[in-house]
Amino acid sequence: AQTVTQSQPEMSVQEAETVTLSCTYDTSESDYYLFWYKQPPSRQMILVIRQEAYKQQNATENRFSVNFQKAAKSFSLKISDSQLGDAAMYFCAYRSPNTGNQFYFGTGTSLTVIP
Amino acid sequence: NAGVMQNPRHLVRRRGQEARLRCSPMKGHSHVYWYRQLPEEGLKFMVYLQKENIIDESGMPKERFSAEFPKEGPSILRIQQVVRGDSAAYFCASSPFSGGKETQYFGPGTRLLVL
Repeated sequence: AQTVTQSQPEMSVQEAETVTLSCTYDTSESDYYLFWYKQPPSRQMILVIRQEAYKQQNATENRFSVNFQKAAKSFSLKISDSQLGDAAMYFCAYRSPNTGNQFYFGTGTSLTVIP
Repeated sequence: NAGVMQNPRHLVRRRGQEARLRCSPMKGHSHVYWYRQLPEEGLKFMVYLQKENIIDESGMPKERFSAEFPKEGPSILRIQQVVRGDSAAYFCASSPFSGGKETQYFGPGTRLLVL
């Protein structure tokens, strides 16, 4: 089974600053999809951004962008101009079209935003 | 367009009782996924269903757990004879199609506490 590793259990960032959350994954597949989900205290899972492995261009959604390094199997999330509302758990997830379409989640990074 | 609905949001059971968790997917979505999140962990895949069919149950415990997605009505995750280790948040997600790039939309989760 694919594994997803988030090596930073906790991170903090000053409001308006930039922070990068790391994620690595292990797979032998060439075609797959990567996602970042946010889980605020309400515990609702909210999609932040997604990346198709066949696309070389890094995905961007407003203040959120990724650094996708396919050869290194790395998929980091950069949050620019951090806001208090960004405080949450962030989960990296891998999805393959070949294994029943389930997500494989990392263990999460808890992000604190300091006013 | 209502999102994924789950009920109850909180469920308390005593050991040995049965727990029934319900999930209504987003309108037009025929693919349902159940995940379990233990404290301090990421979400773990349990089962993937389409209407009236279980497609992938590789993440389901072999005993006491079952899931269904009938032609009419919500998807049900059923846990018989609950034990304390079943205490967790159970999330349902849905998507309109299968396929790796399809985003799964998550419900708010059901928090199960077994006393």
